[in-house]
Amino acid sequence: DAMVIQNPRYQVTQFGKPVTLSCSQTLNHNVMYWYQQKSSQAPKLLFHYYDKDFNNEADTPDNFQSRRPNTSFCFLDIRSPGLGDAAMYLCATSRAPSPRPQETQYFGPGTRLLVL
Amino acid sequence: QKEVEQDPGPLSVPEGAIVSLNCTYSNSAFQYFMWYRQYSRKGPELLMYTYSSGNKEDGRFTAQVDKSSKYISLFIRDSQPSDSATYLCACYNAGGTSYGKLTFGQGTILTVHP
Repeated sequence: DAMVIQNPRYQVTQFGKPVTLSCSQTLNHNVMYWYQQKSSQAPKLLFHYYDKDFNNEADTPDNFQSRRPNTSFCFLDIRSPGLGDAAMYLCATSRAPSPRPQETQYFGPGTRLLVL
Repeated sequence: QKEVEQDPGPLSVPEGAIVSLNCTYSNSAFQYFMWYRQYSRKGPELLMYTYSSGNKEDGRFTAQVDKSSKYISLFIRDSQPSDSATYLCACYNAGGTSYGKLTFGQGTILTVHP
């Protein structure tokens, strides 16, 4: 099945220790998104790539970076994780940045990050 | 004020009940309205999609949008235990600088017990 894969599913890191979360997709979609979802809160868009074009949300902290080396993979780097960065990180993909059903966003299962 | 407000619940209903889930929003530029379902330990999946005001029905699910009151609803008829999940409403503005951005509500946790 074509899908969005996130690794690892659970990640424990220490305060201030850089961490990288991985997302891969077999859908050949042009757009890849990273969302942060804290407990009982709405998913919050951090940034997205449209092909190689990076689009950062205005309120995304500088601590969060992303890389997309090819169509299939996208990484979320947290340079110095703080306790407030503990959350579920969701990767999503779509053919185009549009809400139409044929361009709907497909989500991965998420990586739950714990910061000690 | 959050752009999209949703009662987090939790909501617990018996099997067969009609479920009503609601969201309000503040940005009048939103044009597209969606409902996502998120099972435990899974990512959200698109359930219903509506453009502008009106109703849309798909099986046991009906989505309603009232742009005049900035109110969106999801109704589930004959609810089943398999409907137990978190339901997230989401809004989208196709214009402006928010191209590509979904704005989510915080989700309502629904449990349907046998």
